[in-house]
Amino acid sequence: NAGVTQTPKFQVLKTGQSMTLQCAQDMNHNSMYWYRQDPGMGLRLIYYSASEGTTDKGEVPNGYNVSRLNKREFSLRLESAAPSQTSVYFCASSEETYYSNQPQHFGDGTRLSIL
Amino acid sequence: AQSVTQLGSHVSVSEGALVLLRCNYSSSVPPYLFWYVQYPNQGLQLLLKYTSAATLVKGINGFEAEFKKSETSFHLTKPSAHMSDAAEYFCAVSPGLLGNTPLVFGKGTRLSVIA
Repeated sequence: NAGVTQTPKFQVLKTGQSMTLQCAQDMNHNSMYWYRQDPGMGLRLIYYSASEGTTDKGEVPNGYNVSRLNKREFSLRLESAAPSQTSVYFCASSEETYYSNQPQHFGDGTRLSIL
Repeated sequence: AQSVTQLGSHVSVSEGALVLLRCNYSSSVPPYLFWYVQYPNQGLQLLLKYTSAATLVKGINGFEAEFKKSETSFHLTKPSAHMSDAAEYFCAVSPGLLGNTPLVFGKGTRLSVIA
């Protein structure tokens, strides 16, 4: 039972480098999400995709871009990494986005450090 | 706007003692409510969810939560804490029928269990 798979699990970047975080789900979910988790801040939504072909900004979208490649895959790109983007990034998926009693399913996270 | 407040960023209990983690929400009625658990270096896992079928919801690992509409609360309890319960716990609310945002998470409560 793979669920939500994130790659890579760990990454160290230098300031200014670019990187794409990959996420894939095998549950045939319509909706996918990207969060960042920082100490004392809880989970903050970066971007989400309510359905294939759509993406929307979350609470903290600046410095990030996303691509919903197909129903299974949702990638997060850092075009020019900054130390403030050092964080743990989580991808999640759910059947629907809005007013749903279906929970989100989370990957194990990508631990990203930017020097 | 929908919101979730978790009272206490850190709760410490003795092994065998009652666990009580507090969550208050603001949402249109009826809300859908969730509790998630995050163990160290892992993603979030669903503990339980409230979907209006019953006000007392039983989840995994002996946890349960009670929905109290009059208090806009959804507190998480467990009669007897185990060392393995040490983790971070997140409450989340799905906005109501007029909502146009995804699940809203609280900032989390870290539970420590003392031997």
